[in-house]
Amino acid sequence: DADVTQTPRNRITKTGKRIMLECSQTKGHDRMYWYRQDPGLGLRLIYYSFDVKDINKGEISDGYSVSRQAQAKFSLSLESAIPNQTALYFCATSDPGGPGELFFGEGSRLTVL
Amino acid sequence: GIQVEQSPPDLILQEGANSTLRCNFSDSVNNLQWFHQNPWGQLINLFYIPSGTKQNGRLSATTVATERYSLLYISSSQTTDSGVYFCAVERFTGTASKLTFGTGTRLQVTL
Repeated sequence: DADVTQTPRNRITKTGKRIMLECSQTKGHDRMYWYRQDPGLGLRLIYYSFDVKDINKGEISDGYSVSRQAQAKFSLSLESAIPNQTALYFCATSDPGGPGELFFGEGSRLTVL
Repeated sequence: GIQVEQSPPDLILQEGANSTLRCNFSDSVNNLQWFHQNPWGQLINLFYIPSGTKQNGRLSATTVATERYSLLYISSSQTTDSGVYFCAVERFTGTASKLTFGTGTRLQVTL
């Protein structure tokens, strides 16, 4: 089993619908992140959390919200999905006691029609 | 914020050839990683290399922090090396820390 698990892996939805992407990890890391990948643009940070009580906006947080339910769980919500949120979403973790190495989940492909 | 540029943007190799991918960054960094994204979209850590040289099988990486660049070497390329290679850097600011990604080098290895 993967150390960082994302669900769902693929989702097609319609404009205006609420969507939640979930991430769970077994690495025991305090730090968790949500990234978005668009073709030709690399990965951009949406939100990050350094512990259960710490939530921070990344460079493209508008239209998204997150919840850190536990050390091992970090979910990303789109309250009212729009077509330009169609992208590949990645959850990642890192160990604050380590060098900062980032470990990614397998990605969630979201299509908003 | 830090700017990260990768070159070349696209690369086609015949199986068995060697290649060098480059990552330039605009400021001093404390963290630099190379990732491979396979054709199925999975992101795999290749190297954590803020400075110095590391090798792992046919892959090696060198970061010259003082000159703000890193190189990823792929020797004897195989079709399974195809995908996109990303460089990501981070400069610790004392509070928040997060990686900034380049736009990647897309590699296609042909038979």
